[in-house]
Amino acid sequence: AQSVAQPEDQVNVAEGNPLTVKCTYSVSGNPYLFWYVQYPNRGLQFLLKYITGDNLVKGSYGFEAEFNKSQTSFHLKKPSALVSDSALYFCAVRDNDMRFGAGTRLTVKP
Amino acid sequence: EAGVAQSPRYKIIEKRQSVAFWCNPISGHATLYWYQQILGQGPKLLIQFQNNGVVDDSQLPKDRFSAERLKGVDSTLKIQPAKLEDSAVYLCASSSSGVYGYTFGSGTRLTVV
Repeated sequence: AQSVAQPEDQVNVAEGNPLTVKCTYSVSGNPYLFWYVQYPNRGLQFLLKYITGDNLVKGSYGFEAEFNKSQTSFHLKKPSALVSDSALYFCAVRDNDMRFGAGTRLTVKP
Repeated sequence: EAGVAQSPRYKIIEKRQSVAFWCNPISGHATLYWYQQILGQGPKLLIQFQNNGVVDDSQLPKDRFSAERLKGVDSTLKIQPAKLEDSAVYLCASSSSGVYGYTFGSGTRLTVV
């Protein structure tokens, strides 16, 4: 069965600095990988996905993610963090259904 | 395009009471999902519908949880009787065919006291 792991419960960065939120996956076959963001009292919002093609995927709000097959990773990145990026981020892998990681809380400080 | 609608937004009930949540997916989306998100955890799939048929309900606690999707559009998730550990956000999502992301509703926050 497919699964994802987010090794960091919390990531803190200063505004303007680059950010990385880590995700590793386990899946048999081709991985279909996703990142979602959740703001307080809101549902999950889709950020980006990797299905096939270029390993660097660009998504909403300036986020991007790098698919690394050899390391089975799909880390979320942004070159310059904003305070408004502070939220809960979930990595997910889809096979028959979507399986989510436990989430990483990103805090961007001014 | 209208999003996934869920109601109510919040619900507080006493243990052993029953509760029902409603979801209206994006028009034309054949697949509908119910997820349970306990505080501090990622969403966990409860049940997946394809049109009005159940595809996967392996993680649904069937002794107390039930769900239906009559006519393959709206869906209702019911808990009867509720336990304290059912306190969570219940998220509904829908998707079209193919490998796409899901569109989630805002969720229903259930507190069982």
